[in-house]
Amino acid sequence: DAKTTQPNSMESNEEEPVHLPCNHSTISGTDYIHWYRQLPSQGPEYVIHGLTSNVNNRMASLAIAEDRKSSTLILHRATLRDAAVYYCILRDSGAGSYQLTFGKGTKLSVIP
Amino acid sequence: DTAVSQTPKYLVTQMGNDKSIKCEQNLGHDTMYWYKQDSKKFLKIMFSYNNKELIINETVPNRFSPKSPDKAHLNLHINSLELGDSAVYFCASTPRTGTKEQYFGPGTRLTVT
Repeated sequence: DAKTTQPNSMESNEEEPVHLPCNHSTISGTDYIHWYRQLPSQGPEYVIHGLTSNVNNRMASLAIAEDRKSSTLILHRATLRDAAVYYCILRDSGAGSYQLTFGKGTKLSVIP
Repeated sequence: DTAVSQTPKYLVTQMGNDKSIKCEQNLGHDTMYWYKQDSKKFLKIMFSYNNKELIINETVPNRFSPKSPDKAHLNLHINSLELGDSAVYFCASTPRTGTKEQYFGPGTRLTVT
Protein backbone atom coordinates (compact mmCIF):
# COMPACT_ATOMS: atom_id res chain seq x y z
CA ASP A 1 0.00 0.00 0.00
CA ALA A 2 1.20 3.50 -0.84
CA LYS A 3 2.26 5.81 1.95
CA THR A 4 0.21 8.65 3.41
CA THR A 5 1.32 11.64 5.47
CA GLN A 6 -0.86 13.22 8.14
CA PRO A 7 -0.25 15.76 10.89
CA ASN A 8 0.39 14.11 14.24
CA SER A 9 -2.32 16.08 16.03
CA MET A 10 -5.00 18.71 15.57
CA GLU A 11 -7.37 20.60 17.82
CA SER A 12 -10.85 21.80 17.18
CA ASN A 13 -13.50 23.63 19.14
CA GLU A 14 -16.75 21.81 19.71
CA GLU A 15 -19.41 22.48 17.07
CA GLU A 16 -16.83 23.91 14.66
CA PRO A 17 -15.95 22.24 11.33
CA VAL A 18 -12.73 20.23 11.21
CA HIS A 19 -10.56 19.66 8.16
CA LEU A 20 -8.14 16.77 8.49
CA PRO A 21 -5.54 16.73 5.69
CA CYS A 22 -3.77 13.76 4.15
CA ASN A 23 -1.00 13.74 1.55
CA HIS A 24 -0.54 10.74 -0.72
CA SER A 25 1.70 11.94 -3.51
CA THR A 26 2.58 8.40 -4.69
CA ILE A 27 -1.03 7.26 -5.05
CA SER A 28 -1.67 4.96 -8.00
CA GLY A 29 -4.68 4.96 -10.28
CA THR A 30 -6.25 1.94 -8.58
CA ASP A 31 -5.83 3.15 -4.99
CA TYR A 32 -8.93 4.03 -3.03
CA ILE A 33 -8.60 6.58 -0.22
CA HIS A 34 -10.05 5.22 3.01
CA TRP A 35 -10.51 6.97 6.34
CA TYR A 36 -10.91 5.15 9.61
CA ARG A 37 -10.96 6.49 13.14
CA GLN A 38 -10.18 4.94 16.48
CA LEU A 39 -11.89 6.27 19.56
CA PRO A 40 -10.08 5.76 22.89
CA SER A 41 -10.05 2.12 24.00
CA GLN A 42 -12.03 0.97 20.96
CA GLY A 43 -11.34 -0.75 17.67
CA PRO A 44 -11.01 1.31 14.50
CA GLU A 45 -14.22 2.18 12.68
CA TYR A 46 -14.78 3.00 9.04
CA VAL A 47 -15.55 6.64 8.28
CA ILE A 48 -15.59 7.13 4.52
CA HIS A 49 -13.77 6.27 1.32
CA GLY A 50 -13.47 7.58 -2.24
CA LEU A 51 -11.61 7.20 -5.50
CA THR A 52 -11.79 10.44 -7.47
CA SER A 53 -14.96 12.34 -6.66
CA ASN A 54 -15.85 14.03 -3.40
CA VAL A 55 -17.98 11.85 -1.14
CA ASN A 56 -20.48 12.54 1.61
CA ASN A 57 -22.03 10.29 4.19
CA ARG A 58 -23.72 10.70 7.54
CA MET A 59 -20.40 10.85 9.38
CA ALA A 60 -18.24 13.08 7.22
CA SER A 61 -17.27 14.40 3.80
CA LEU A 62 -14.19 13.51 1.81
CA ALA A 63 -12.69 16.08 -0.52
CA ILE A 64 -10.19 14.66 -3.02
CA ALA A 65 -7.79 16.90 -4.93
CA GLU A 66 -8.04 16.83 -8.67
CA ASP A 67 -4.60 15.22 -9.03
CA ARG A 68 -5.52 12.81 -6.18
CA LYS A 69 -2.27 13.53 -4.38
CA SER A 70 -4.05 14.81 -1.33
CA SER A 71 -7.42 14.57 0.37
CA THR A 72 -9.24 16.17 3.28
CA LEU A 73 -11.66 14.59 5.71
CA ILE A 74 -14.26 17.10 6.80
CA LEU A 75 -16.27 16.79 9.99
CA HIS A 76 -18.96 19.42 9.65
CA ARG A 77 -19.60 19.98 13.36
CA ALA A 78 -17.11 18.45 15.75
CA THR A 79 -18.53 16.92 18.89
CA LEU A 80 -16.68 15.60 21.92
CA ARG A 81 -17.39 12.11 20.64
CA ASP A 82 -15.30 12.86 17.53
CA ALA A 83 -12.10 13.00 19.60
CA ALA A 84 -10.12 10.11 18.14
CA VAL A 85 -7.15 9.15 16.00
CA TYR A 86 -8.02 9.49 12.33
CA TYR A 87 -6.23 7.31 9.80
CA CYS A 88 -5.95 8.02 6.09
CA ILE A 89 -5.20 4.77 4.24
CA LEU A 90 -4.69 3.89 0.59
CA ARG A 91 -6.05 0.55 -0.48
CA ASP A 92 -5.38 -0.97 -3.87
CA SER A 93 -8.70 -1.96 -5.42
CA GLY A 94 -6.89 -4.59 -7.47
CA ALA A 95 -5.32 -6.30 -4.50
CA GLY A 96 -6.56 -9.78 -3.70
CA SER A 97 -6.75 -9.07 -0.01
CA TYR A 98 -8.15 -6.07 1.70
CA GLN A 99 -5.95 -5.70 4.71
CA LEU A 100 -5.31 -2.14 5.82
CA THR A 101 -1.88 -0.62 6.38
CA PHE A 102 -2.25 1.90 9.18
CA GLY A 103 0.09 4.85 9.66
CA LYS A 104 0.34 6.99 12.78
CA GLY A 105 -2.80 8.95 12.00
CA THR A 106 -3.90 12.34 13.32
CA LYS A 107 -5.00 12.62 16.91
CA LEU A 108 -7.95 14.99 17.00
CA SER A 109 -8.75 16.76 20.26
CA VAL A 110 -12.10 18.50 20.60
CA ILE A 111 -12.27 21.39 23.04
CA PRO A 112 -15.62 21.99 24.77
CA ASP B 1 -26.29 -7.09 18.15
CA THR B 2 -22.50 -7.07 18.25
CA ALA B 3 -21.08 -7.36 14.73
CA VAL B 4 -17.55 -8.49 15.61
CA SER B 5 -16.94 -9.81 19.09
CA GLN B 6 -13.79 -10.91 20.85
CA THR B 7 -13.17 -12.83 24.05
CA PRO B 8 -11.67 -12.20 26.45
CA LYS B 9 -11.49 -8.42 26.65
CA TYR B 10 -8.52 -8.57 29.00
CA LEU B 11 -5.96 -11.34 29.37
CA VAL B 12 -3.13 -11.30 31.89
CA THR B 13 -0.75 -14.22 31.84
CA GLN B 14 2.83 -15.20 32.55
CA MET B 15 5.69 -15.70 30.15
CA GLY B 16 5.85 -19.16 28.67
CA ASN B 17 2.12 -19.82 28.87
CA ASP B 18 -0.12 -20.69 25.91
CA LYS B 19 -3.30 -18.68 25.41
CA SER B 20 -6.08 -18.22 22.88
CA ILE B 21 -8.19 -15.26 21.82
CA LYS B 22 -11.52 -15.89 20.14
CA CYS B 23 -13.23 -13.83 17.46
CA GLU B 24 -16.70 -14.18 16.00
CA GLN B 25 -18.52 -12.11 13.40
CA ASN B 26 -22.24 -12.32 12.69
CA LEU B 27 -22.11 -10.27 9.49
CA GLY B 28 -21.75 -13.13 7.04
CA HIS B 29 -18.38 -11.80 5.88
CA ASP B 30 -15.92 -13.97 4.00
CA THR B 31 -12.64 -12.44 5.09
CA MET B 32 -11.34 -12.04 8.63
CA TYR B 33 -8.16 -10.53 10.02
CA TRP B 34 -6.04 -10.22 13.10
CA TYR B 35 -4.24 -6.96 13.83
CA LYS B 36 -1.81 -6.12 16.63
CA GLN B 37 -1.57 -2.67 18.23
CA ASP B 38 1.56 -2.24 20.29
CA SER B 39 2.33 0.22 23.06
CA LYS B 40 3.22 2.90 20.52
CA LYS B 41 -0.29 2.55 19.10
CA PHE B 42 0.88 1.24 15.75
CA LEU B 43 -1.73 -1.07 14.18
CA LYS B 44 -0.25 -3.89 12.08
CA ILE B 45 -1.86 -6.69 10.13
CA MET B 46 -0.92 -10.17 11.33
CA PHE B 47 -3.14 -12.59 9.43
CA SER B 48 -5.87 -12.57 6.85
CA TYR B 49 -8.27 -15.46 6.26
CA ASN B 50 -10.67 -15.80 3.36
CA ASN B 51 -13.31 -18.49 3.62
CA LYS B 52 -11.33 -20.38 6.26
CA GLU B 53 -8.13 -20.27 4.22
CA LEU B 54 -5.03 -18.31 5.19
CA ILE B 55 -4.21 -15.74 2.52
CA ILE B 56 -1.80 -13.44 4.37
CA ASN B 57 0.69 -14.17 7.07
CA GLU B 58 2.84 -11.16 7.73
CA THR B 59 6.18 -11.65 9.45
CA VAL B 60 4.67 -13.04 12.59
CA PRO B 61 6.52 -15.61 14.75
CA ASN B 62 5.21 -19.12 14.27
CA ARG B 63 4.25 -19.13 17.95
CA PHE B 64 1.14 -17.37 16.66
CA SER B 65 -1.29 -19.70 14.94
CA PRO B 66 -4.67 -18.58 13.65
CA LYS B 67 -7.43 -21.13 13.41
CA SER B 68 -10.69 -20.73 11.52
CA PRO B 69 -13.19 -23.49 12.37
CA ASP B 70 -15.79 -21.83 10.13
CA LYS B 71 -16.36 -18.63 8.20
CA ALA B 72 -17.71 -16.78 11.22
CA HIS B 73 -14.81 -17.52 13.57
CA LEU B 74 -11.11 -16.75 13.57
CA ASN B 75 -9.25 -17.61 16.73
CA LEU B 76 -5.69 -16.71 17.59
CA HIS B 77 -3.58 -19.14 19.57
CA ILE B 78 -0.28 -18.00 21.00
CA ASN B 79 2.34 -20.43 22.30
CA SER B 80 5.18 -19.70 24.71
CA LEU B 81 4.11 -16.12 25.39
CA GLU B 82 6.83 -13.47 25.61
CA LEU B 83 6.87 -10.02 27.17
CA GLY B 84 6.89 -8.46 23.70
CA ASP B 85 3.55 -10.07 22.91
CA SER B 86 1.87 -7.61 25.25
CA ALA B 87 -0.43 -5.54 23.04
CA VAL B 88 -4.03 -5.04 22.05
CA TYR B 89 -5.19 -7.55 19.45
CA PHE B 90 -8.03 -6.64 17.12
CA CYS B 91 -10.08 -8.94 14.98
CA ALA B 92 -11.78 -7.56 11.86
CA SER B 93 -13.90 -8.76 8.96
CA THR B 94 -14.73 -7.62 5.44
CA PRO B 95 -17.52 -8.54 3.04
CA ARG B 96 -16.62 -10.18 -0.25
CA THR B 97 -18.46 -7.53 -2.25
CA GLY B 98 -19.33 -3.88 -1.80
CA THR B 99 -17.20 -1.22 -0.22
CA LYS B 100 -14.84 -3.67 1.47
CA GLU B 101 -14.92 -1.61 4.63
CA GLN B 102 -13.56 -3.44 7.61
CA TYR B 103 -15.49 -4.00 10.80
CA PHE B 104 -13.31 -4.23 13.87
CA GLY B 105 -13.90 -5.95 17.16
CA PRO B 106 -13.44 -4.18 20.50
CA GLY B 107 -9.96 -5.60 21.03
CA THR B 108 -8.30 -7.92 23.53
CA ARG B 109 -5.66 -6.39 25.77
CA LEU B 110 -3.00 -9.02 26.40
CA THR B 111 -0.52 -8.41 29.20
CA VAL B 112 2.37 -10.82 29.62
CA THR B 113 4.20 -10.62 32.95
